[in-house]
Amino acid sequence: AQKVTQAQTEISVVEKEDVTLDCVYETRDTTYYLFWYKQPPSGELVFLIRRNSFDEQNEISGRYSWNFQKSTSSFNFTITASQVVDSAVYFCALSGVRYNFNKFYFGSGTKLNVKP
Amino acid sequence: GAGVSQSPRYKVAKRGQDVALRCDPISGHVSLFWYQQALGQGPEFLTYFQNEAQLDKSGLPSDRFFAERPEGSVSTLKIQRTQQEDSAVYLCASSLESGPGELFFGEGSRLTVL
Repeated sequence: AQKVTQAQTEISVVEKEDVTLDCVYETRDTTYYLFWYKQPPSGELVFLIRRNSFDEQNEISGRYSWNFQKSTSSFNFTITASQVVDSAVYFCALSGVRYNFNKFYFGSGTKLNVKP
Repeated sequence: GAGVSQSPRYKVAKRGQDVALRCDPISGHVSLFWYQQALGQGPEFLTYFQNEAQLDKSGLPSDRFFAERPEGSVSTLKIQRTQQEDSAVYLCASSLESGPGELFFGEGSRLTVL
């Protein structure tokens, strides 16, 4: 089965702190994709990143970085120097070839509160 | 606008009523998805279309749920004889690709069944 676990329900930090959001996944597929989405209070999920299972290189985009480790089945997301605008719910998601690439499995989300 | 548009944004239905939720995807997007998001939870897959073909409906919770995309653009999710457990936000997303690409989500339709 495909499963995504985001154990951190809610995190609160003060602006300019670094914060890491954890994502652990389960799949029997050897080919799969991992995603992060941001859901601000408006409700519209916004795509942040997609990684495939063959590319374990870490990625950095501005203040955002992602650490993909197949050995621990984790795909963690770090925000450096957090800002109030980063406050949102963040979802990690998985899709795999066995169950149809277009069926995305989302975690339960981590709510990030960044206080000024 | 250029994004995914959903209507109505809010719907209150009495138990047993039928409801129809509309999704207008980004023009030219091949793939269209419906997800159900309960309060405090992540989105759960309902169904997927590639153009007008419904390729996966494995997530529809019962035969009261029906989705269509007859001309490969606008889609409608219909729920018959609504029940209280159907209360949720229904999210529509579209994608330019037919594979696992970037999903563009609408703001959702919040359904409350009394």
